[in-house]
Amino acid sequence: KAGVTQTPRYLIKTRGQQVTLSCSPISGHRSVSWYQQTPGQGLQFLFEYFSETQRNKGNFPGRFSGRQFSNSRSEMNVSTLELGDSALYLCASSESPRAGRNFYSYNEQFFGPGTRLTVL
Amino acid sequence: GNSVTQMEGPVTLSEEAFLTINCTYTATGYPSLFWYVQYPGEGLQLLLKATKADDKGSNKGFEATYRKETTSFHLEKGSVQVSDSAVYFCALGLLSGTYKYIFGTGTRLKVLA
Repeated sequence: KAGVTQTPRYLIKTRGQQVTLSCSPISGHRSVSWYQQTPGQGLQFLFEYFSETQRNKGNFPGRFSGRQFSNSRSEMNVSTLELGDSALYLCASSESPRAGRNFYSYNEQFFGPGTRLTVL
Repeated sequence: GNSVTQMEGPVTLSEEAFLTINCTYTATGYPSLFWYVQYPGEGLQLLLKATKADDKGSNKGFEATYRKETTSFHLEKGSVQVSDSAVYFCALGLLSGTYKYIFGTGTRLKVLA
């Protein structure tokens, strides 16, 4: 199976602009999560989409938004860019979690290579 | 709340040295535990996992044991190589309504020849 792909790999924008990043999950995976990685803050969770619905959300301002399409591909949008938005944005896909009576269910995430966003 | 704490880096070792990267967690319920590795310029890759107490995850010479009594999941390797230089992330996954992941801040490992 092909892995998670993210486009573009590198992006340079200026303050005030907006940007859209794209993520194609592994075939059959319905959950897509987005993370922001910076040297100072580490890996921070942005949001998760499952079957075209936002299921979880991190503590980011409303400038950060996303969506998921019927084929599970996802996009992330950042409006009114700020210098502090410079980061590596990672997308991860997974199958639907194994819930139910099995307390020890888990759900492995598969990460893409990321999009390096630089805001000038 | 749920959280993961891992030792700060960078950790610098000579080739063939023993590696330990500490990770402790706080969680309500029964989390699964993971170690991910990120090589320069790449995304995260799953290194190993453990889904219940006393499980030992292992891969590529790395090992970690799920210790419920000490809420720890320390990563170890007996003999590191230069190619192990990377950033290592400890994470927990927890089904609480929906499935959630929480990552540690990452520990950079540098192995010198």
